[in-house]
Amino acid sequence: GQSLEQPSEVTAVEGAIVQINCTYQTSGFYGLSWYQQHDGGAPTFLSYNALDGLEETGRFSSFLSRSDSYGYLLLQELQMKDSASYFCAGPGSNYQLIWGAGTKLIIKP
Amino acid sequence: NAGVMQNPRHLVRRRGQEARLRCSPMKGHSHVYWYRQLPEEGLKFMVYLQKENIIDESGMPKERFSAEFPKEGPSILRIQQVVRGDSAAYFCASSPPSGLNEQFFGPGTRLTVL
Repeated sequence: GQSLEQPSEVTAVEGAIVQINCTYQTSGFYGLSWYQQHDGGAPTFLSYNALDGLEETGRFSSFLSRSDSYGYLLLQELQMKDSASYFCAGPGSNYQLIWGAGTKLIIKP
Repeated sequence: NAGVMQNPRHLVRRRGQEARLRCSPMKGHSHVYWYRQLPEEGLKFMVYLQKENIIDESGMPKERFSAEFPKEGPSILRIQQVVRGDSAAYFCASSPPSGLNEQFFGPGTRLTVL
């Protein structure tokens, strides 16, 4: 079947760096997306990796290794406002996006 | 440029009633996706539509649920004879034809079934 696995919860300290991993099992996989969702809010797009390697956008970076079926989201200089759930998602074989269950990021002062 | 719009934001229904959720995609977007989310859970894909076409409805329950995206007007997710288990947040997202991987989400409709 098609699935994406990510940790349910990660805890970090304000100002630190945190990495959220995502492993996947899908057929016809064409890249990995990351979304952020604050409590009570809607998901917002963060990044998309179509090719292997690291993509950097400000404090957030995303990495993909298609040979390892693995990717991660890296958040640097953590701020309290980064407390949210983070979802990885990838295109399935039926024109739809398959989503991981989400990682809740808890940031402590 | 207005984002994805959904209404109503909150909807309360009694068991057995019908719920109609509306979604207007971003201007220029022709692809619409509906998702359901339970508290503390991830997004569950329901259906993917283009104008006047259902492309993929593999995530839709076989009964009571239907979706449409007419030539004119918003996309509609319709739930007939609602039950308590239908209580959830329903999100709509849209993307341009080339942008499956970057979807823009509406604020969601919180459905509560009493």
